[in-house]
Amino acid sequence: NAGVTQTPKFQVLKTGQSMTLQCAQDMNHNSMYWYRQDPGMGLRLIYYSASEGTTDKGEVPNGYNVSRLNKREFSLRLESAAPSQTSVYFCASKLSGQPQHFGDGTRLSIL
Amino acid sequence: RKEVEQDPGPFNVPEGATVAFNCTYSNSASQSFFWYRQDCRKEPKLLMSVYSSGNEDGRFTAQLNRASQYISLLIRDSKLSDSATYLCVVNLLTGGGNKLTFGTGTQLKVEL
Repeated sequence: NAGVTQTPKFQVLKTGQSMTLQCAQDMNHNSMYWYRQDPGMGLRLIYYSASEGTTDKGEVPNGYNVSRLNKREFSLRLESAAPSQTSVYFCASKLSGQPQHFGDGTRLSIL
Repeated sequence: RKEVEQDPGPFNVPEGATVAFNCTYSNSASQSFFWYRQDCRKEPKLLMSVYSSGNEDGRFTAQLNRASQYISLLIRDSKLSDSATYLCVVNLLTGGGNKLTFGTGTQLKVEL
């Protein structure tokens, strides 16, 4: 019963490097989300995909891009990583009207 | 005003105590509400949905007050294992789909 799977779990990058965070869900959910969580800030939405083939900006999209590859997979890309992007990243998915299910996070450090 | 506001705590309570958290939201059109629990360095996990009539799940009771725009979570007979951060989540249906807004969380520490 995998639920929402994120890879990698940990990553250290140098400033300017690029990176793609992967997320896959096996619950046949329509909507998928990427959040970042920083101390004292709570969860902030980066991008979301309400359904396969659509993506929309959230609260903090700058410096990120996303791809909804198919119904199962939603990836987050950092084209040129910056220290301000050091954070814990969570992917989530849901059905309309239902609560979200989260992956166990990717801890990203940018030096 | 923040869309969703919570007292960050920490709430330090002895084992067996009853503790209550409140969460206020700014958009009166918000439609559904949830409490999530997050353990240190882990992902948020759904604790319970919040229904208009109030709902109970074991030692946990959730209430919604639409007129005053707040939701509450009551934990009775606190256990050490209840120590965690509790996140309030508010869902608003917009033209772009569901918009979920998370509070920053209330930290609970249950002590012997």
